[in-house]
Amino acid sequence: DVKVTQSSRYLVKRTGEKVFLECVQDMDHENMFWYRQDPGLGLRLIYFSYDVKMKEKGDIPEGYSVSREKKERFSLILESASTNQTSMYLCASSFKWTGGLNEQFFGPGTRLTVL
Amino acid sequence: SQQGEEDPQALSIQEGENATMNCSYKTSINNLQWYRQNSGRGLVHLILIRSNEREKHSGRLRVTLDTSKKSSSLLITASRAADTASYFCATRGGYQKVTFGIGTKLQVIP
Repeated sequence: DVKVTQSSRYLVKRTGEKVFLECVQDMDHENMFWYRQDPGLGLRLIYFSYDVKMKEKGDIPEGYSVSREKKERFSLILESASTNQTSMYLCASSFKWTGGLNEQFFGPGTRLTVL
Repeated sequence: SQQGEEDPQALSIQEGENATMNCSYKTSINNLQWYRQNSGRGLVHLILIRSNEREKHSGRLRVTLDTSKKSSSLLITASRAADTASYFCATRGGYQKVTFGIGTKLQVIP
């Protein structure tokens, strides 16, 4: 059974803290993605990676960074958490596209609250 | 505005009725996908329709695609309470990128 796991389901942090969100997939997927989801705004892409050590900015990268040292793991880092980063964070992975976009597999999400 | 935009944003129906949601997109596509999200969870892939297909079925799901109008619709027949969820369409948003719409929140009342 294919799986994308995220390190925490719920997380509460304080303003200014450095926050690490971890995502691991066991499907040997090349692509990995980080989204945030807010009411009324849908899913917005923060960063994605299509290969180890490769990263590309998505639509809202400000205030975030990522790391992909191994194929199966993609980390999202909030350098200095702020209250406007309170959100649901979703990780996803997929095989690299060759023709059209491939099915994305999502993790269960991490609900982050920044106080 | 977003590449994929679902319509309506919210839909409430009785169990047994059909539910139809629509998606419009802006750029050319190779394929379009629909996903479901149960409350507070990750998204789950439902169905993919290629740009050269006009209609596709999977169980109680029927998806249509009209590339001339840049639109797609998802029909759920004989809805059940367990179909209560948010539904998103997804299209290509750039190299290896996906764009999701805001979603349609479906409530099926038992």
